[in-house]
Amino acid sequence: DAKTTQPNSMESNEEEPVHLPCNHSTISGTDYIHWYRQLPSQGPEYVIHGLTSNVNNRMASLAIAEDRKSSTLILHRATLRDAAVYYCILMKGGGSNYKLTFGKGTLLTVNP
Amino acid sequence: DTEVTQTPKHLVMGMTNKKSLKCEQHMGHRAMYWYKQKAKKPPELMFVYSYEKLSINESVPSRFSPECPNSSLLNLHLHALQPEDSALYLCASSQHYSSYNEQFFGPGTRLTVL
Repeated sequence: DAKTTQPNSMESNEEEPVHLPCNHSTISGTDYIHWYRQLPSQGPEYVIHGLTSNVNNRMASLAIAEDRKSSTLILHRATLRDAAVYYCILMKGGGSNYKLTFGKGTLLTVNP
Repeated sequence: DTEVTQTPKHLVMGMTNKKSLKCEQHMGHRAMYWYKQKAKKPPELMFVYSYEKLSINESVPSRFSPECPNSSLLNLHLHALQPEDSALYLCASSQHYSSYNEQFFGPGTRLTVL
């Protein structure tokens, strides 16, 4: 399975943008890039996903490098509620083995 | 309704007990999942059901027995568990079993095996 690499932790200030990086140099052409987050004492929550083009939704934006070997999750204005572990996950397209394989993720701390 | 519900929230059981975890969704999703999460670790996939049929079993010990009686309901039957099975058990669902559908997670059942 293609692996992702994320920083163990990052810190941000409230109301500032946050850029969470993810490297996935062994991504294959049909792999989707998914981001989930897990707030303390809660189940994971879907954030965003994309294949090749940049994606926006109400929670965040996903910027995908042209060669697809890296991506960045962008939270436009961090709030205290965004403090969580953020997971960058590749899901294989094609075939029949679609698994969310969670890595260690990035622990985001948001300072007031 | 965009919610996945899990019952019970907490469960304490002895190693000789038999218990069941329940998961329900009313979003019309046809794929449902069980994950296990140990303290301070990421979730790990256990089982996947697609259209009420077991699609993936991640080599889970037979003391865990999943069941999908209909498209809205997913159970996990527990028997003769070990203390190391204590963990948060998460249920999730998605519209279909695919690489591009997001998964919706429930809040989990925190299981303690004595």
